[in-house]
Amino acid sequence: ELKVEQNPLFLSMQEGKNYTIYCNYSTTSDRLYWYRQDPGKSLESLFVLLSNGAVKQEGRLMASLDTKARLSTLHITAAVHDLSATYFCAVAGYGGSQGNLIFGKGTKLSVKP
Amino acid sequence: EAGVTQFPSHSVIEKGQTVTLRCDPISGHDNLYWYRRVMGKEIKFLLHFVKESKQDESGMPNNRFLAERTGGTYSTLKVQPAELEDSGVYFCASSQLGAEGAFFGQGTRLTVV
Repeated sequence: ELKVEQNPLFLSMQEGKNYTIYCNYSTTSDRLYWYRQDPGKSLESLFVLLSNGAVKQEGRLMASLDTKARLSTLHITAAVHDLSATYFCAVAGYGGSQGNLIFGKGTKLSVKP
Repeated sequence: EAGVTQFPSHSVIEKGQTVTLRCDPISGHDNLYWYRRVMGKEIKFLLHFVKESKQDESGMPNNRFLAERTGGTYSTLKVQPAELEDSGVYFCASSQLGAEGAFFGQGTRLTVV
């Protein structure tokens, strides 16, 4: 059974600091997604990583994928308050159905002044 | 362009009652997915429609849950009769055929008391 583990589950950081969220998954998958969710809002797609070594950056967020280690990271650079949200990683389920996503529990990020 | 829309945003019902959740996908999206997040747990896949056909319903928890997508447009998810453990947030997502990732709605928070 494919499992996805994120850590940490809660992260409180100060503005201007850097930090990394980790996403480990248990079996082979060729697609990994990062989503952001603000309270009461929909999940917003941040990154889609499709190959080993893939790295994508958007603003202060950078995501990478190591399929051999079954590990993805979401790195936050010089955090700002607007980044406060819950971040989810998700992996395509067995059979490659891109809709059958296996999610991690989410990392609740709080950025304080 | 309107995003994925879900109704209602919140629903509180008594155990044993029936509730119907609705999802309006983005126009032209043939893929439609239902997910659920129970308190403190991961977001879990329920099922996947391609147009009006159920492509994958492996995540449906039991026969108290019935999903339909008549005409391949909006979808409904009925829970009958509702149990306490059905409480959670139900997300709908949609995508075009062959697209990577999906667009999520804001979710329906269901509370069964």
